[in-house]
Amino acid sequence: GAGVSQSPSNKVTEKGKDVELRCDPISGHTALYWYRQSLGQGLEFLIYFQGNSAPDKSGLPSDRFSAERTGGSVSTLTIQRTQQEDSAVYLCASRPRDSHYGYTFGSGTRLTVV
Amino acid sequence: AQSVTQLGSHVSVSEGALVLLRCNYSSSVPPYLFWYVQYPNQGLQLLLKYTSAATLVKGINGFEAEFKKSETSFHLTKPSAHMSDAAEYFCAVQGGGADGLTFGKGTHLIIQP
Repeated sequence: GAGVSQSPSNKVTEKGKDVELRCDPISGHTALYWYRQSLGQGLEFLIYFQGNSAPDKSGLPSDRFSAERTGGSVSTLTIQRTQQEDSAVYLCASRPRDSHYGYTFGSGTRLTVV
Repeated sequence: AQSVTQLGSHVSVSEGALVLLRCNYSSSVPPYLFWYVQYPNQGLQLLLKYTSAATLVKGINGFEAEFKKSETSFHLTKPSAHMSDAAEYFCAVQGGGADGLTFGKGTHLIIQP
């Protein structure tokens, strides 16, 4: 596609429920990143994919968070048993393999846990 | 590890005045540096990037930034602020998370009429 697409754009969920956030990167971009943007906290790195593998999961805040990527394309970030502190905007970015600075960001998913 | 410090979580300037948003970085290797802008309910848009070529980098919307290695700074400037510049601005350095980006906490730019 022309840009990085994220869905849903907004999600309200009850505490304790599981949620799935989707990122569809630019076609051909092999690197994919998830970030979390919390109020007053800037952007926090969560996980990085190169193709379908995730060599760096160091930013995932707890074992309730997981992510996968299939076909070297779409990625899903799953949050289990959501807590109120999970409320944030989740941003996805993709980048071509041969560019160290060609990041393109999606518009994000705003997650609200009530 | 790389890090970025943005001085001032909020900056207010009058329309037509100079915009100066400060960014200092820490990096053990020559960095790539970026400024992004985020408008309400939108993703991040790249304003400009430094990739070890010219130290004065010009970006979109009249913004520019100067890389100063001696000061480990990459401040963002615009000679004359416009109301449409009101947004959140993020400075970032490449190096976090498998050459992903490490971001500062952001500066909210307010333009006074």
